[in-house]
Amino acid sequence: EIVLTQSPDTLSLSPGERATLSCRASQSVGANYLAWYQQRVGQAPRPLIYGASSRATGIPDRFSGSGSGTDFTLTISRLEPEDVAVYYCQQYGSSPWTFGQGTKVEIK
Amino acid sequence: EVQLVQSGAEVKKPGESLRISCTGSGYTFTTFWIVWVRQMPGKGLEWMGRLDPSDSSTVYGPSFQGHVSISADNSVTTAYLQWSSLKASDTAMYYCVRRGLYFDYWGQGTLVTVSS
Repeated sequence: EIVLTQSPDTLSLSPGERATLSCRASQSVGANYLAWYQQRVGQAPRPLIYGASSRATGIPDRFSGSGSGTDFTLTISRLEPEDVAVYYCQQYGSSPWTFGQGTKVEIK
Repeated sequence: EVQLVQSGAEVKKPGESLRISCTGSGYTFTTFWIVWVRQMPGKGLEWMGRLDPSDSSTVYGPSFQGHVSISADNSVTTAYLQWSSLKASDTAMYYCVRRGLYFDYWGQGTLVTVSS
């Protein structure tokens, strides 16, 4: 089973700042089958990024993904109040498909 | 428009059985796998298992094998998640998800509460 470890656990930034979220895999993620999801309070998760760097439908370009192998990053270029949420990475290339524990993004 | 609509919240007692549903629309139901994801209160996301509606084949996550059952009725484009004997630890939000290139469409979630 591939274990995904996200860091930091919590990120507290001011509006307009850049947010950098990390996701490290215990072994290489095949074909970069790595996705990121945003979950706001009381809502279902929403896909942001798939294939490590492709934006899902309707996702603004301030969200970007990068990385390969075992190290992946989600960047929010200019933080906005509606970005307050928990962000999860997920690998879907190797069964069992697994999620990271989440990074909580807060606004100062 | 692709939609996954789940059944409503449930309150059950330990030992009772339960089946929750997920109805897909706006796409060809048999073309995409359906996945179930658990989220326990205040916790993260856990993949439970997946169903291929085209042949009803299933794969379960190691923590869920033998405790839940995933099935589908293609005639009503609906997938199901079923328990034969609930435990208090099954209290959680359950999401059904379409597996396209990734987990691309999510249901709204079904809250299951198991309490004596």
